[in-house]
Amino acid sequence: QSVLTQPPSASGPPGQRVTISCSGSSSNIGDNTVNWYQQLPGTAPKLLIYSNNQRPSGVPDRFSGSKSGTSASLAISGLQSEDEADYYCAAWDDSLNGPVFGGGTKLTVL
Amino acid sequence: QVQLAQSGAEVKKPGSSVKVSCKASGGTFSSIAISWVRQAPGQGLEWMGRIIPLLRIPNYAQKFQGRVTITADKSTSTAYMELSSLRSEDTAVYYCAREHLMGATPMGWFDPWGQGTLVTVSS
Repeated sequence: QSVLTQPPSASGPPGQRVTISCSGSSSNIGDNTVNWYQQLPGTAPKLLIYSNNQRPSGVPDRFSGSKSGTSASLAISGLQSEDEADYYCAAWDDSLNGPVFGGGTKLTVL
Repeated sequence: QVQLAQSGAEVKKPGSSVKVSCKASGGTFSSIAISWVRQAPGQGLEWMGRIIPLLRIPNYAQKFQGRVTITADKSTSTAYMELSSLRSEDTAVYYCAREHLMGATPMGWFDPWGQGTLVTVSS
């Protein structure tokens, strides 16, 4: 059982915009920034968004993050087939004194 | 640009220990933090702990306290994660990752990641 809650799956046709939600509590998302990772099949996770809405160098601006209260969202616009992957949200948890993750959302491009 | 290279796959018996290595290159090893994150088959990500080689003081997730030991060898720019009293539920891919620091404060986000090490626990 993951500390952060994500929907297990999401999907959309090429070119569409899709959002993935991440729900937490006051001890994690409510009080700290949110990070997002993309994990392509059979590979290590890759940092996609940090500090709620910052993109590391090389991440396309089709990917964006936002946070409100104890929830966060990852938006992917202009869906492409190569976006098929698992997406994980993460945040620092003050009660556990360490980072916690969501259970992951499998994105399918129809 | 830091890169992380991990040791190869391991097969272990229940009750034994495993030690996974993570060699850093392309950066200043002492000034970064190395965290360990595991992923059981078909499951999500789970943070196990970290070490900041400069401080040599590890921090462990509560779940793994007493069973995990994270160390760092500055002379070889290598971090290690040892997990003891292995059970079948420890079968997972173990990743090392650089954890971003603000000063000496870990920020909880990871980039880059090692390629992962599969540890299989089976009798």
